[in-house]
Amino acid sequence: GENVEQHPSTLSVQEGDSAVIKCTYSDSASNYFPWYKQELGKRPQLIIDIRSNVGEKKDQRIAVTLNKTAKHFSLHITETQPEDSAVYFCAASIWGALRSNFGNEKLTFGTGTRLTIIP
Amino acid sequence: DTGVSQNPRHKITKRGQNVTFRCDPISEHNRLYWYRQTLGQGPEFLTYFQNEAQLEKSRLLSDRFSAERPKGSFSTLEIQRTEQGDSAMYLCASKYGGALQGDTEAFFGQGTRLTVV
Repeated sequence: GENVEQHPSTLSVQEGDSAVIKCTYSDSASNYFPWYKQELGKRPQLIIDIRSNVGEKKDQRIAVTLNKTAKHFSLHITETQPEDSAVYFCAASIWGALRSNFGNEKLTFGTGTRLTIIP
Repeated sequence: DTGVSQNPRHKITKRGQNVTFRCDPISEHNRLYWYRQTLGQGPEFLTYFQNEAQLEKSRLLSDRFSAERPKGSFSTLEIQRTEQGDSAMYLCASKYGGALQGDTEAFFGQGTRLTVV
């Protein structure tokens, strides 16, 4: 099955600086890579996702890059703010209309990165 | 609130007791997932429903665990004879999937935190 590794496990960044979190995956069939943000006691919330037909996607201060050959993808947060402090999880999944209708698109998560923004 | 709803939010139970959690997904979502999250770890897949059919169960789901989605809407997860190792956050997620168009992301509930004493 799929295995997702995530680094670093903790990251402290000065406010205004950039943060980068990296993940690797093992299953070359995976084609959907979401990033979730989880604040203490709250539900995981999708912040950005990328599919394997693109190499980079950006949404304001957040960007994700994907290297299919190397099987790794990264989250980049620029101009960090205190409200960015949270645990971030990467995940991998097989998503697509061409698979069997009973393909389940379950998510395999990394172990998480606790990001702390220092004011 | 039109998001995924889970009840109860917290459950403390004595070892050996049975517990049941409920998940109400987003109404038009055909796919429902249960995940388990322990402290300091990412969510781990437990089981998956497509409408009312349970189509996959993880090896993490021992015989003491059972899940249902009787009418393809809400789902329940029951743990029998709870053990201390069952203490975790149980997350439910739903999505619309399997179509040529209109697939959505997975939306998570706030989870049920189970503590077995």
